[in-house]
Amino acid sequence: DAKTTQPPSMDCAEGRAANLPCNHSTISGNEYVYWYRQIHSQGPQYIIHGLKNNETNEMASLIITEDRKSSTLILPHATLRDTAVYYCIGSYEKLTFGTGTRLTIIP
Amino acid sequence: AAGVIQSPRHLIKEKRETATLKCYPIPRHDTVYWYQQGPGQDPQFLISFYEKMQSDKGSIPDRFSAQQFSDYHSELNMSSLELGDSALYFCASSFFDRGQGTSGLSSYNEQFFGPGTRLTVL
Repeated sequence: DAKTTQPPSMDCAEGRAANLPCNHSTISGNEYVYWYRQIHSQGPQYIIHGLKNNETNEMASLIITEDRKSSTLILPHATLRDTAVYYCIGSYEKLTFGTGTRLTIIP
Repeated sequence: AAGVIQSPRHLIKEKRETATLKCYPIPRHDTVYWYQQGPGQDPQFLISFYEKMQSDKGSIPDRFSAQQFSDYHSELNMSSLELGDSALYFCASSFFDRGQGTSGLSSYNEQFFGPGTRLTVL
């Protein structure tokens, strides 16, 4: 699995877009970029994935650089319920969780 | 929609005892993963099963064993428990197409996590 690097923590004002960066320079060709989040001791929750192209779903958008060495998760209108640890994972199958980014949404 | 079920939700054991954790995957999911999350730590992959066969192995101690049964549920057996085994144990399931499409690209693998079993070893 790819080694990923994320900032340990970030704050975002409620209602604003939260942009979470991730570096995954060692990602290999068949590994997807996955984003999961974990809300205080709950089971991790899948958010979005991508391979080469930018992706969007009802939860978030994922922007992947052309060289695939980094990506950004965008939560377009952050709410208090988005406060969680966000994990960026480069993987084919099993998930190797790094330290993630602790995102705090501020009222 | 049905989710991953784990039982028990909480378990308290003494050192050197044994524990069995159970996981019931989402119907029609063929792959089960086990993760361990110690206090203040990030989840760590332990082991996975695909179609009742072990498919991958992570940092699982030799004192632990696991299997997947014919109904696809899985059990994690933990023996000679130590204080350091106190953790949240998550099970996840997925339906993972291990083949490659016409584009030659692998399929993605969305894992659905259960609520976890909190094991406390005293």
